[in-house]
Amino acid sequence: QSVLTQPPSASGTPGQTVTISCSGSSSNIGSNYVHWYQHLPGTAPKLLVYRNNQRPSGVPDRFSGSKSGTSVALAISGLQSEDEADYYCAAWDDSLTGYVFGTGTKVTVL
Amino acid sequence: EVQLLESGGGLVEPGASRRLSCAGSGFPFSSYTMSWVRHAPGKGLGWVSAISESGSITSQADSVKGRFTISRDNSRNTLYLQMNSLRAEDTAVYYCATGDRNSGWLHWGQGTLVTVSS
Repeated sequence: QSVLTQPPSASGTPGQTVTISCSGSSSNIGSNYVHWYQHLPGTAPKLLVYRNNQRPSGVPDRFSGSKSGTSVALAISGLQSEDEADYYCAAWDDSLTGYVFGTGTKVTVL
Repeated sequence: EVQLLESGGGLVEPGASRRLSCAGSGFPFSSYTMSWVRHAPGKGLGWVSAISESGSITSQADSVKGRFTISRDNSRNTLYLQMNSLRAEDTAVYYCATGDRNSGWLHWGQGTLVTVSS
């Protein structure tokens, strides 16, 4: 069940910054941590950002997360060709008592 | 090194059952909340079910409630997903992952493909 809304696509040239938005509600983003995942179909998803703005060990600082109210954003700076992938936000939803994913954003490096 | 290895996928007929397994190693399995997440062809990621460290608390997505059951055997370091009354829309790669609402899903398996078709 996707109740978090993301733009379907985003693009940029190498070196540029791309920002992906994720909009939710008070029962999910507004009251819980948001995490971001990078996914190349056919491979395991990768955790990029957890707890809104924290990076796991090994994730480059080109990836950064932010949160404001019931929306979050993932910024990818210094865009590289290997950043071409699908990106998803996810959070726990208190009303659904389950996790919800964003609709996903496909990032293309031009 | 943390490893998660799913198994049990394959081709199943609509209405049939299938059990997926996820064997964990390289970490204290019984100390981690676990989840199943799926990726249907041409669609986005979708959360399926989660289970607490002890197995006493579970939750499922509405789309699988009453049909799928998550469980774990901490003595075998293995997570399970019993899938009953399978439908075409359950066709997906199923991943197991460690983590919870506060930490996110850090470690993932390689996935196992379930295809529901006659």
